[in-house]
Amino acid sequence: EDKVVQSPLSLVVHEGDTVTLNCSYEVTNFRSLLWYKQEKKAPTFLFMLTSSGIEKKSGRLSSILDKKELFSILNITATQTGDSAIYLCAVANAGGTSYGKLTFGQGTILTVHP
Amino acid sequence: DADVTQTPRNRITKTGKRIMLECSQTKGHDRMYWYRQDPGLGLQLIYYSFDVKDINKGEISDGYSVSRQAQAKFSLSLESAIPNQTALYFCATSLAGQGNNEQFFGPGTRLTVL
Repeated sequence: EDKVVQSPLSLVVHEGDTVTLNCSYEVTNFRSLLWYKQEKKAPTFLFMLTSSGIEKKSGRLSSILDKKELFSILNITATQTGDSAIYLCAVANAGGTSYGKLTFGQGTILTVHP
Repeated sequence: DADVTQTPRNRITKTGKRIMLECSQTKGHDRMYWYRQDPGLGLQLIYYSFDVKDINKGEISDGYSVSRQAQAKFSLSLESAIPNQTALYFCATSLAGQGNNEQFFGPGTRLTVL
């Protein structure tokens, strides 16, 4: 059974701080790892990573994947109150009838205070 | 940009009632998914469908059924609702094919079973 574990489960910081969110996984047939941000309602896509060691970056957010150690991190620098959200990590399976199926972690609840 | 829509957005019902949640998409995607979200548990896959004639159980399908009426429509039914099915339900879609792992989420349906 595929498994995704995120840490920490919740985090409270002040504006301007840098945060690192962790995601470790076990999957029978790895295809890719995805990060989503969930504010009020629907999750919105941030990054998809398929190769080790290649950083994906979007503004103050960046992410990297380590396929040998089976984990990914999501970094947010100079946090703002608008970064407050649940951050979800998911792994896509590449095997047979499960191809493309995502397994999600529990999420990290990030709260950024002014 | 309402590419994936869900109805109703909120529903309160009583134990034992039959409930149907509907999902429609205008993205032209082949694949559709139903998830539930409980606090601290991330997103759990209920059912998924890779095309109109293909229906697959997810991690937590007991107590639920689905119908894929057309490429654009995927409905989730609770035949006899129970209180522990109180949750936030999301429909999602994705494109078939290599590398297309990103899923696009609807706005969610908040279901309360009394």
